[in-house]
Amino acid sequence: AQTVTQSQPEMSVQEAETVTLSCTYDTSESDYYLFWYKQPPSRQMILVIRQEAYKQQNATENRFSVNFQKAAKSFSLKISDSQLGDAAMYFCAYSATQGGSEKLVFGKGTKLTVNP
Amino acid sequence: EPEVTQTPSHQVTQMGQEVILRCVPISNHLYFYWYRQILGQKVEFLVSFYNNEISEKSEIFDDQFSVERPDGSNFTLKIRSTKLEDSAMYFCASSETRDGYTFGSGTRLTVV
Repeated sequence: AQTVTQSQPEMSVQEAETVTLSCTYDTSESDYYLFWYKQPPSRQMILVIRQEAYKQQNATENRFSVNFQKAAKSFSLKISDSQLGDAAMYFCAYSATQGGSEKLVFGKGTKLTVNP
Repeated sequence: EPEVTQTPSHQVTQMGQEVILRCVPISNHLYFYWYRQILGQKVEFLVSFYNNEISEKSEIFDDQFSVERPDGSNFTLKIRSTKLEDSAMYFCASSETRDGYTFGSGTRLTVV
């Protein structure tokens, strides 16, 4: 079974600084998707960024980028120029591509605090 | 931008009562899901629905739970006899393919 592990329950960063959130996963599949979701206090789940495993190039979305290390099964999220609005829970998630289960498997989350 | 709509946003129910949580997925999406998140814990998969039938369900999704897509637009989750431990945030999600999940804003269910 696929598992997703986020080893940092909480992280903090100064406004305008950079922070990296860690995620590792376990799968026997060769192709899959990885996601980072943001959950602010409103508890809505907001997609931050996604990565397709067959693509070697790391995904980027404005201030958000990932470091995808397929062999190490690692998928970290880097937030540059942190803003107060980035404060939230961040969840790493996995889903298979062809065949198998299409469900998302989530990690336990990392609570990010942004200090002014 | 298309969105997944969930109603109600908050529901309080007495233990043992039946509740129906409602969702309107994005219209051209083919896959539908329910997830739940107990306060302070991770998001857990409940069930997926494709081609008018359940395609997968978790061990949480026991006989107390059922899903329906009664009219081609709504997607509902029914909990037959609620327990205190069913108190959680319930999220509906839909996707056209496996890389494009869109979540609703959730229904906070409180069982008293």
